[in-house]
Amino acid sequence: LAKTTQPISMDSYEGQEVNITCSHNNIATNDYITWYQQFPSQGPRFIIQGYKTKVTNEVASLFIPADRKSSTLSLPRVSLSDTAVYYCLVGANPRGSTLGRLYFGRGTQLTVWP
Amino acid sequence: SAVISQKPSRDICQRGTSLTIQCQVDSQVTMMFWYRQQPGQSLTLIATANQGSEATYESGFVIDKFPISRPNLTFSTLTVSNMSPEDSSIYLCSFSRVSYNEQFFGPGTRLTVL
Repeated sequence: LAKTTQPISMDSYEGQEVNITCSHNNIATNDYITWYQQFPSQGPRFIIQGYKTKVTNEVASLFIPADRKSSTLSLPRVSLSDTAVYYCLVGANPRGSTLGRLYFGRGTQLTVWP
Repeated sequence: SAVISQKPSRDICQRGTSLTIQCQVDSQVTMMFWYRQQPGQSLTLIATANQGSEATYESGFVIDKFPISRPNLTFSTLTVSNMSPEDSSIYLCSFSRVSYNEQFFGPGTRLTVL
């Protein structure tokens, strides 16, 4: 099971770019890297997913180096409403088939200040 | 996109009783999942709810304690049986469609056991 490590917390100011890095040294060949966002009293929300290099959508960018042992979620020009917990997940299952199981780590609490 | 709802949104229960949580999706989905999120903690996958077959439980969770039903492709229930204060938690359901790593979460059920 691929374990992920990410900072417990980060602070930023409105308008800045925020980069949250996640380490996943034991990532398997078939694993994808997925990021979720969770606001208080809500369920997590899918942000972005990638396998290698760079993925960009309307919300964020995901940078994955060639060795895939880490990934960086980049949030451009954050606002107060981006204050949330961000989870990095790597799809893996000891039995060799993900079958949709998601294993959440501790996440990173991002706080955006005015 | 599909809407997912849970009932009840919160409940306060007595030790030794059971509570059934309902999860409804407004369109047919293949995979549904149940998670637990204890106060201040990350999410832990309880089980995968399979339509037409027994649920698949993760390590540390058993059917006698958390029986799950999945009678059709839009609905699932999770029962928390013989509750103790340690079961106080937020219980979330989710579903996935094409990409197993992209799951859509319900708003959660906040359970307090006295």
